[in-house]
Amino acid sequence: AQKVTQAQTEISVVEKEDVTLDCVYETRDTTYYLFWYKQPPSGELVFLIRRNSFDEQNEISGRYSWNFQKSTSSFNFTITASQVVDSAVYFCALSPGSNYQLIWGAGTKLIIKP
Amino acid sequence: ETGVTQSPTHLIKTRGQQVTLRCSSQSGHNTVSWYQQALGQGPQFIFQYYREEENGRGNFPPRFSGLQFPNYSSELNVNALELDDSALYLCASSLERARSYNEQFFGPGTRLTVL
Repeated sequence: AQKVTQAQTEISVVEKEDVTLDCVYETRDTTYYLFWYKQPPSGELVFLIRRNSFDEQNEISGRYSWNFQKSTSSFNFTITASQVVDSAVYFCALSPGSNYQLIWGAGTKLIIKP
Repeated sequence: ETGVTQSPTHLIKTRGQQVTLRCSSQSGHNTVSWYQQALGQGPQFIFQYYREEENGRGNFPPRFSGLQFPNYSSELNVNALELDDSALYLCASSLERARSYNEQFFGPGTRLTVL
């Protein structure tokens, strides 16, 4: 089965706190891609990162970082020193190498309070 | 701004009616995918078009159909609307027939309400 699980439905933190969004995936494909997208209240999905299954290096982009661990089938996303503008719904998605679909998690609503 | 536009922004229809949603892709993007996003859920893949032909389909019935035109615009048509069709419909364009590893650029979506 191909599946993405984001167990955290909603997270609320105070500005400047660090926050980690969890993503666990299932696939039988050896080649696959993982994504994170941000969906602000306007509705438009914004691409954040793509990672292929052969590249387990962690990545940092400014305040954002991603931890990919194949051993636990996880691709977690951390925001350091969160800001109110980070408030949005964040989706993790899986693209199995065997087809063209993006399989999405249910999303985590992140609320950053001032 | 992703350069992908959708129209209309909002739409209200009644059960049994037909609806056409429109998408204008980024210039040069020959692949468009459509997704249905119910409230509080992640998007669900409907289908993908590549060079004006359907290139893959998710678990949606045939009353969901599409068209892609040479000018990078596309349509999603839904016949015999049901209440459960109420959702945000998103289109995403990408370069090349994607096995989804190419970045997809999403439009702002059309919010469809079926009464």
